[in-house]
Amino acid sequence: AQKVTQAQTEISVVEKEDVTLDCVYETRDTTYYLFWYKQPPSGELVFLIRRNSFDEQNEISGRYSWNFQKSTSSFNFTITASQVVDSAVYFCALSEAGANNLFFGTGTRLTVIP
Amino acid sequence: DVKVTQSSRYLVKRTGEKVFLECVQDMDHENMFWYRQDPGLGLRLIYFSYDVKMKEKGDIPEGYSVSREKKERFSLILESASTNQTSMYLCASTLGGESYNEQFFGPGTRLTVL
Repeated sequence: AQKVTQAQTEISVVEKEDVTLDCVYETRDTTYYLFWYKQPPSGELVFLIRRNSFDEQNEISGRYSWNFQKSTSSFNFTITASQVVDSAVYFCALSEAGANNLFFGTGTRLTVIP
Repeated sequence: DVKVTQSSRYLVKRTGEKVFLECVQDMDHENMFWYRQDPGLGLRLIYFSYDVKMKEKGDIPEGYSVSREKKERFSLILESASTNQTSMYLCASTLGGESYNEQFFGPGTRLTVL
């Protein structure tokens, strides 16, 4: 069965600090896709990144970076030099090959204090 | 700019009322989804549709039904609203055929059942 665990319910950091959001997943499939979404206070989930199970290369996009490690079934998300606009709920999600739907974690609420 | 719109941002209904939540996407996507979001539970899939007039149950379909008469529109119906259906409802859409396609989300409808 598929499962996505985000153990951190809430995190608070001071502006300019780095922060890492953890995501651990479970799946029996060898082909799957991992996602991160951001949900700002406006409510609409915004897609951040997708990774397939065959691509363990880490990715960096500006202040955002993602570390995918199949050995530990983790897909962690780091924000460098956090800003107040990063305050949101972040969701990690899993999709298995051939499936139409996503399995979401319970989300991590990040608050960046000015 | 791609868009998923939902008919209401906030809705207040009484127990026993029939409630319709409407979702429209302008991206010609095959797949559409309804989720509910509750604190500590993340997003849970209620129903999804992969084509007009086609639907499949998600993880929590009890108490809900759906309708997809046109490709761009996907409706969620609460036949007889109950207080435990007070929640945030999110609609999403994605291209069909591949599980790696990201989902695009609407802004959500916060439903309160009194």
